[in-house]
Amino acid sequence: DTEVTQTPKHLVMGMTNKKSLKCEQHMGHRAMYWYKQKAKKPPELMFVYSYEKLSINESVPSRFSPECPNSSLLNLHLHALQPEDSALYLCASSQLGNKNIQYFGAGTRLSVL
Amino acid sequence: EDQVTQSPEALRLQEGESSSLNCSYTVSGLRGLFWYRQDPGKGPEFLFTLYSAGEEKEKERLKATLTKKESFLHITAPKPEDSATYLCAVQAFDYKLSFGAGTTVTVRA
Repeated sequence: DTEVTQTPKHLVMGMTNKKSLKCEQHMGHRAMYWYKQKAKKPPELMFVYSYEKLSINESVPSRFSPECPNSSLLNLHLHALQPEDSALYLCASSQLGNKNIQYFGAGTRLSVL
Repeated sequence: EDQVTQSPEALRLQEGESSSLNCSYTVSGLRGLFWYRQDPGKGPEFLFTLYSAGEEKEKERLKATLTKKESFLHITAPKPEDSATYLCAVQAFDYKLSFGAGTTVTVRA
């Protein structure tokens, strides 16, 4: 089983709202990732967690706040977003070490009005 | 900086018409090269990973090969259900994936 579950599938929010995206995996992976993907573009890495600690932040604006409560869960808290933040947000997970294959969830389609 | 270039951008095939997608890359210390398939509005689906030049992997109608500078994804006798965007990505020793822009394949019945 290589399933990564993301909720919600779709989200519409105003620029003053606070919302959260959730990601869950039960493969025992100790690395989890957030990506942002705009239409007809490849995924862009935002954050990486290794052993529940933030290891990579790709200079993402502070209106995006990641959280890894435990080894199976990853959240992305959203606040004061801009319309240009509308995109498909993808979560991925992987083992650490040589077989570092990232498995992706189906994504959350976010629209900021 | 790692660079991944995929060609062509788009590929239109008749059902049964075999073809190849190219992924050329420059990376400082290749840990692995990955192929993913992505359907519209969905997350990328893992297909293959290749670790060293000369390596080949196969899955149904797809076959991936790797040289020191590029990888090919061969699609043999494609069917309409093979229509998707195929993404190539390289992973360096920091575990980060650098993706190419993708090749969108359309297979007509």
